[in-house]
Amino acid sequence: EPEVTQTPSHQVTQMGQEVILRCVPISNHLYFYWYRQILGQKVEFLVSFYNNEISEKSEIFDDQFSVERPDGSNFTLKIRSTKLEDSAMYFCASSEFGLAGPKNIQYFGAGTRLSVL
Amino acid sequence: AQKITQTQPGMFVQEKEAVTLDCTYDTSDPSYGLFWYKQPSSGEMIFLIYQGSYDQQNATEGRYSLNFQKARKSANLVISASQLGDSAMYFCAMRSGSARQLTFGSGTQLTVLP
Repeated sequence: EPEVTQTPSHQVTQMGQEVILRCVPISNHLYFYWYRQILGQKVEFLVSFYNNEISEKSEIFDDQFSVERPDGSNFTLKIRSTKLEDSAMYFCASSEFGLAGPKNIQYFGAGTRLSVL
Repeated sequence: AQKITQTQPGMFVQEKEAVTLDCTYDTSDPSYGLFWYKQPSSGEMIFLIYQGSYDQQNATEGRYSLNFQKARKSANLVISASQLGDSAMYFCAMRSGSARQLTFGSGTQLTVLP
């Protein structure tokens, strides 16, 4: 069964460093998403991406964050200068379509746990 | 504004019994979708079941069913014949209107007792 793949599973970084989280969405999916989950809290939306551009972003997704689809398979989230409060589980998700119907179901990867020291 | 409320932080159920996890939602859009995800202790988010606002019948997927009551704005997850492997955090989520983002509830930690 196709799945969303995320690497690495755990990333440890020093405050102020740049990190890139990587995702390979399901191959025929057109919409891609990043979410984060701070330990013990609910899952929060960061950004959605379609047709090589951002379609929606939340208030969390400030200038420190960027997303890119550098090739036909990868989808990345970059945090330019990490802060302690960026420590969280980051989930990538993808869906075939974006709006109504079962094809808008978002399938999640296993997540990358980011620890900022 | 979209809002999802899960009022049960924790639930216990005996193995082989059924359990209902509550979810209420709020949206002004007539078109929306409701989702349930399972998050085991290992951390991944597993899609379980989807219900569209215009679907006439309640969604079912194996042992999972969604009790959709539109007038009450509730979308409760029913797990039949609970198994030990069902022990996990369960999240209700919604996408509404033209937004593609999912809004999640705070989750319910389900523990299945042997």
